[in-house]
Amino acid sequence: DAGITQSPRHKVTETGTPVTLRCHQTENHRYMYWYRQDPGHGLRLIHYSYGVKDTDKGEVSDGYSVSRSKTEDFLLTLESATSSQTSVYFCATMGQGDYEQYFGPGTRLTVT
Amino acid sequence: AQSVTQLGSHVSVSEGALVLLRCNYSSSVPPYLFWYVQYPNQGLQLLLKYTTGATLVKGINGFEAEFKKSETSFHLTKPSAHMSDAAEYFCAVSVGKLIFGQGTELSVKP
Repeated sequence: DAGITQSPRHKVTETGTPVTLRCHQTENHRYMYWYRQDPGHGLRLIHYSYGVKDTDKGEVSDGYSVSRSKTEDFLLTLESATSSQTSVYFCATMGQGDYEQYFGPGTRLTVT
Repeated sequence: AQSVTQLGSHVSVSEGALVLLRCNYSSSVPPYLFWYVQYPNQGLQLLLKYTTGATLVKGINGFEAEFKKSETSFHLTKPSAHMSDAAEYFCAVSVGKLIFGQGTELSVKP
């Protein structure tokens, strides 16, 4: 499972508060991804990183920002959480020259 | 634009029956195709993948899928369902980034 951990695993927060989710990997994979999973939508890409300090937007990036200051850590920040951001968030990694993405266990975020 | 369509958001089979989960894709370039499985409250686990070569791909837990370019399909099958196969299954196409289908929830009846 590429040694991927996500923290926190569950979080409840109020509308308007900032939230940061952390993804940590131990496999030295170059690529890291943040997805959200919602019923009927599968997984949708929020942001991804192709190296330290190199990030780009995905399909549903509005309201989210990311940072990657070290190979092993990829942070997802909701600057001002909204109820529409209630979801399950998954981090994934992929090695250089690989085709398979490895997924973390997910973070369930509820915005009230 | 690339896309993935999974036919049927919910499929129910009896234990021992054939499992068939349908996936069609659109891609302007030769795709890499994947099936992932998600058990309740867990992350996604790779079942199988097609990149190049043999079009019939075997995966874990007795699952297999066949890449049919002419039909733009990558259907997932298993000859005999087991109770432990109950999960959600996602088809995905990779063209640099992974594009997922909406998912199919498989139920297995005793």
